[in-house]
Amino acid sequence: GQNIDQPTEMTATEGAIVQINCTYQTSGFNGLFWYQQHAGEAPTFLSYNVLDGLEEKGRFSSFLSRSKGYSYLLLKELQMKDSASYLCAAMDSNYQLIWGAGTKLIIKP
Amino acid sequence: IAGITQAPTSQILAAGRRMTLRCTQDMRHNAMYWYRQDLGLGLRLIHYSNTAGTTGKGEVPDGYSVSRANTDDFPLTLASAVPSQTSVYFCASSESRDGNTGELFFGEGSRLTVL
Repeated sequence: GQNIDQPTEMTATEGAIVQINCTYQTSGFNGLFWYQQHAGEAPTFLSYNVLDGLEEKGRFSSFLSRSKGYSYLLLKELQMKDSASYLCAAMDSNYQLIWGAGTKLIIKP
Repeated sequence: IAGITQAPTSQILAAGRRMTLRCTQDMRHNAMYWYRQDLGLGLRLIHYSNTAGTTGKGEVPDGYSVSRANTDDFPLTLASAVPSQTSVYFCASSESRDGNTGELFFGEGSRLTVL
């Protein structure tokens, strides 16, 4: 079956770095997405990886290893506003997104 | 501001009643989607539409129906609501369902409680 695994909750300190991991199993693969969702709000797009390697976008970076079925989202210089859930989603061969349950990131001062 | 508008934002509904959640986008996106989000679970696709005039079933379509009469509107109907349909519903759109990054744009959500 198709599956996405990511930690349920993580805690980090303001100003620090945190890495949120995601492993996936899909029928075929057309890319890996990360979305941010603040409590009570809609998810918003952060990144898309389809080739192996690291994609950097400001304080956020996303990494993909297709051979390992593994991705991570790296958040640097954490700010209180980064407290949110981070959703990992993989696109299968039918272009359907398979979503993880999300990782709730708690930032402490 | 361009984007997706959902209505209502929140609704309490008696079991057995019919309910339509409205969704309108002004980005001229071809593809539209309805998801439900429940605590501890990932977003689950209910129905989707690749383009106006076509619809398809997602992962959890039972008890729901959709229509896509034009590009902008994609209403979701619960014919006879049941308590298990209590959830937060998100409408989303993308330029197309395949062939690009697939970035989805989400509406603000509709919180539905079925008693």
